[in-house]
Amino acid sequence: GIQVEQSPPDLILQEGANSTLRCNFSDSVNNLQWFHQNPWGQLINLFYIPSGTKQNGRLSATTVATERYSLLYISSSQTTDSGVYFCAVERASGSRLTFGEGTQLTVNP
Amino acid sequence: DTEVTQTPKHLVMGMTNKKSLKCEQHMGHRAMYWYKQKAKKPPELMFVYSYEKLSINESVPSRFSPECPNSSLLNLHLHALQPEDSALYLCASSQGLLGTSYEQYFGPGTRLTVT
Repeated sequence: GIQVEQSPPDLILQEGANSTLRCNFSDSVNNLQWFHQNPWGQLINLFYIPSGTKQNGRLSATTVATERYSLLYISSSQTTDSGVYFCAVERASGSRLTFGEGTQLTVNP
Repeated sequence: DTEVTQTPKHLVMGMTNKKSLKCEQHMGHRAMYWYKQKAKKPPELMFVYSYEKLSINESVPSRFSPECPNSSLLNLHLHALQPEDSALYLCASSQGLLGTSYEQYFGPGTRLTVT
């Protein structure tokens, strides 16, 4: 199956700092999603981004499909950004989402 | 509205009990999913329903029995579970499945404890 690697596994920031999370995948994909899982377990959709660049407020994401990676940028981080960030990909032909192991982000006040 | 709802939020059950988890979406999505998530691990796919038919079963033990009564509802019936089945159970939905990829939306989950 497809392999998904996220880095770093853990990240600790001070409020206001910027960060970049990376997702590498081993095969061509038709779907790539970034999620934020909050402390209560809710998976919140951040971006649906199989290719290209998108921005939503302080967050932006870029997927370079030909090089098989995606980046999630968080600017001016806030304590509410804490949680686990997952990258998930789906290969062609509607198979299934495969999740990376996630990046645990802690933003300290 | 991109909302998937799940009930109950928390469930504690004994190993001899029978219980059900429920999931509902009103986005007109035709694919629905059950995932299991253990602490500090990513979600793992259990079942996929496409157009109300079971299309993927990831070799899940028979003590978990899914049901899709209609295109908006998805149930997971639980019977004779083991303590290692304690986990967060997540439901998701997407627009379709058949050879195309669509964004998946997740519910808030049911936190299950088996005693």
